[in-house]
Amino acid sequence: DAKTTQPTSMDCAEGRAANLPCNHSTISGNEYVYWYRQIHSQGPQYIIHGLKNNETNEMASLIITEDRKSSTLILPHATLRDTAVYYCIVIRNTPLVFGKGTRLSVIA
Amino acid sequence: DAGVTQSPTHLIKTRGQQVTLRCSPKSGHDTVSWYQQALGQGPQFIFQYYEEEERQRGNFPDRFSGHQFPNYSSELNVNALLLGDSALYLCASSPSGGGTLNTEAFFGQGTRLTVV
Repeated sequence: DAKTTQPTSMDCAEGRAANLPCNHSTISGNEYVYWYRQIHSQGPQYIIHGLKNNETNEMASLIITEDRKSSTLILPHATLRDTAVYYCIVIRNTPLVFGKGTRLSVIA
Repeated sequence: DAGVTQSPTHLIKTRGQQVTLRCSPKSGHDTVSWYQQALGQGPQFIFQYYEEEERQRGNFPDRFSGHQFPNYSSELNVNALLLGDSALYLCASSPSGGGTLNTEAFFGQGTRLTVV
């Protein structure tokens, strides 16, 4: 599985967009980019995933660069409930491999 | 739909004892994976069960074993508990044979195991 690099922590003002970067420079052509988050004391929660194209759902948007070596998860209007650890995972048809993720703190 | 349910939510055991944790997958899911999450770390993959067999295994000793039942529910067993086994144990279920290809995994709330 390709390794990912994420910042350890980030802050975001409530109501603003939160942009969480992820580097995955060794990603293979058939590997997907997945994002999960884990709110304190809960199990991880799926957010979004993509292969090549940008993706959007009710929770977030995923922007993948053309060379697929990096991606950005965008929470368009962050709320206090979005405070969590966000994990970027690159895999294909294998169990999830979690790193340490980015701790996002949304500040009022 | 109750989602993924795990029991018990909390458990305290003594070193050397054995423990069994249980997981019921989300309706329609046939694959169960188990993860161990130590404090301050990301979840670490233990193993995955599909069609009542262990299909993949992470870097965990044989003290960790599991089982999947015909109704897709699963158990995680840990023998000869060590202090270092204290962690949050997470169960995740997924559909269609368990690969993550274009599917998402649903996690339970976990079982907090404390070994004293």
